[in-house]
Amino acid sequence: DQQVKQNSPSLSVQEGRISILNCDYTNSMFDYFLWYKKYPAEGPTFLISISSIKDKNEDGRFTVFLNKSAKHLSLHIVPSQPGDSAVYFCAASFNQAGTALIFGKGTTLSVSS
Amino acid sequence: DGGITQSPKYLFRKEGQNVTLSCEQNLNHDAMYWYRQDPGQGLRLIYYSQIVNDFQKGDIAEGYSVSREKKESFPLTVTSAQKNPTAFYLCASSIRQGYTQYFGPGTRLTVL
Repeated sequence: DQQVKQNSPSLSVQEGRISILNCDYTNSMFDYFLWYKKYPAEGPTFLISISSIKDKNEDGRFTVFLNKSAKHLSLHIVPSQPGDSAVYFCAASFNQAGTALIFGKGTTLSVSS
Repeated sequence: DGGITQSPKYLFRKEGQNVTLSCEQNLNHDAMYWYRQDPGQGLRLIYYSQIVNDFQKGDIAEGYSVSREKKESFPLTVTSAQKNPTAFYLCASSIRQGYTQYFGPGTRLTVL
């Protein structure tokens, strides 16, 4: 049973527009969420994280929003650039319980110029 | 320069042979992890270790073994018991369990 779901396998966006990647989770005990970016044949790169005590975290062009009541988080990329084309993974954890991160299956973002 | 190294980048193995994938980190992280990525499957956890000389099975540990004799090193052995070993293997580390993980570049294992 998937605890972290990324229901859109792919997303296509034009350069300069906003990219919105979505992630849903089922366990309300998750208290830390992360986004990773991955290029083919490379390891994932950490992008941005958010604690459950916040509803928004921003870092440059990347903003993560957390809606705890809906068990939903999203990553906004503004403006999108061709170099953003990659697979994006959402991950969640229970900080206090000492478990590993639980990853979604990823969303492939394609940004066209 | 701190980071995680995995070697080799590409590895070929004959069916029935064991093979060991290397993972080293100089980030002084306590926790280390091994994941497997298959197309459309995301990242699946094989094993993880919170401290030296201790490790736990992840979701897909069958056919794999690990050791954690040093803080910096967490090698993964893919045994002949692993039925579908061809995959992209990723090693990661974090300050401690549950926190941001940092990944190595990965090893592509192909069984011929």
